[in-house]
Amino acid sequence: DTGVSQDPRHKITKRGQNVTFRCDPISEHNRLYWYRQTLGQGPEFLTYFQNEAQLEKSRLLSDRFSAERPKGSFSTLEIQRTEQGDSAMYLCASSLGGGALRETQYFGPGTRLLVL
Amino acid sequence: KQEVTQIPAALSVPEGENLVLNCSFTDSAIYNLQWFRQDPGKGLTSLLLIQSSQREQTSGRLNASLDKSSGRSTLYIAASQPGDSATYLCAVVNTGGFKTIFGAGTRLFVKA
Repeated sequence: DTGVSQDPRHKITKRGQNVTFRCDPISEHNRLYWYRQTLGQGPEFLTYFQNEAQLEKSRLLSDRFSAERPKGSFSTLEIQRTEQGDSAMYLCASSLGGGALRETQYFGPGTRLLVL
Repeated sequence: KQEVTQIPAALSVPEGENLVLNCSFTDSAIYNLQWFRQDPGKGLTSLLLIQSSQREQTSGRLNASLDKSSGRSTLYIAASQPGDSATYLCAVVNTGGFKTIFGAGTRLFVKA
């Protein structure tokens, strides 16, 4: 069990470009979450997957944002036509699911995005 | 709409002191509440998860309590150490879904 991994760890892009981030959850974890965090704030929920199904999506996730989790394993988060306001840390978390302590969320190290 | 508030925003204490961090939430219909620790520039580390039916959870020097009716949780840290310096975040998951709402955190500095 190597924990939740995210790739890349850092990304610098120019405004208007598309970027894609990847998250590999802990194996056998059914639930996967994406968050965005800006300096001095707690993480903001973006979206949630139960296996391959995207069950909840924040209104923060505009039509420029899309997330997938094909086959219920790794997940990708794509941002199209990036804006400077998209600069943030993007965090992924996973949990086993099934109630009680199985709902504990384990976080990856995050991908720091800077849009110039 | 669930809102989570953490007080204080920052705290500086001498090593060895016992301390309490506070978290309040506006909607008592929660599924669980979690406390996390975050070191600068890093991801979050889970500390404790309290189910809605529980009153408290303990792990080592940490004790978290939950009072759903008043919309409050506290994280008690005993005998603080410089290595406890970090930002502590609480998060709630509402019943009926898995959207997780975080507070802004309490930034703790423990002086040696």
